[in-house]
Amino acid sequence: EAGVVQSPRYKIIEKKQPVAFWCNPISGHNTLYWYLQNLGQGPELLIRYENEEAVDDSQLPKDRFSAERLKGVDSTLKIQPAELGDSAVYLCASSPGGQGSGANVLTFGAGSRLTVL
Amino acid sequence: SQKIEQNSEALNIQEGKTATLTCNYTNYSPAYLQWYRQDPGRGPVFLLLIRENEKEKRKERLKVTFDTTLKQSLFHITASQPADSATYLCALVLYSSASKIIFGSGTRLSIRP
Repeated sequence: EAGVVQSPRYKIIEKKQPVAFWCNPISGHNTLYWYLQNLGQGPELLIRYENEEAVDDSQLPKDRFSAERLKGVDSTLKIQPAELGDSAVYLCASSPGGQGSGANVLTFGAGSRLTVL
Repeated sequence: SQKIEQNSEALNIQEGKTATLTCNYTNYSPAYLQWYRQDPGRGPVFLLLIRENEKEKRKERLKVTFDTTLKQSLFHITASQPADSATYLCALVLYSSASKIIFGSGTRLSIRP
């Protein structure tokens, strides 16, 4: 099992440029999350998918951020245009979904570290 | 306002002692509380969860308690080892929105030999 795979691991861009992050969750996991993590802080939820449906995107800055999970498997998070304050680690996680306490146990990827200059 | 607070300062303890980390929350109604470990440059890794109707959960050298009256969870590592040095995150799984998981800011734990 490959775990949750994210790419790229590191990205350095200039402000106002676009950037995209990709995530492939654990096979069979219906629920996919994108979190943002600043240094010394806990992960903050950006968006959560149940299969291909975005069920919670209330924290996603929709003026510049977008996400998709077209076939209910892998997902892409895009920022356009990037701002200096977007420098952070973008974490993808997946969980089995369904019922029971195990349904919400998250498996995280290693993250994509974004630096905006 | 809704808050999740963990030990704001880093915790430094001697190898072999018990490390105790706290997680306090206000204005949330969690169904579960989870604990994760995060090493530098890596994503968090799940350790334990405890349900609202459970008082205590153990796994090897780890113990978690959950007091819904105090709105607090304690995370204990007994017989601590330098390899336990990491950041530990608590996370609430909320009743109000199934599968919504909110994280605390984490506590950095250092175990000195």
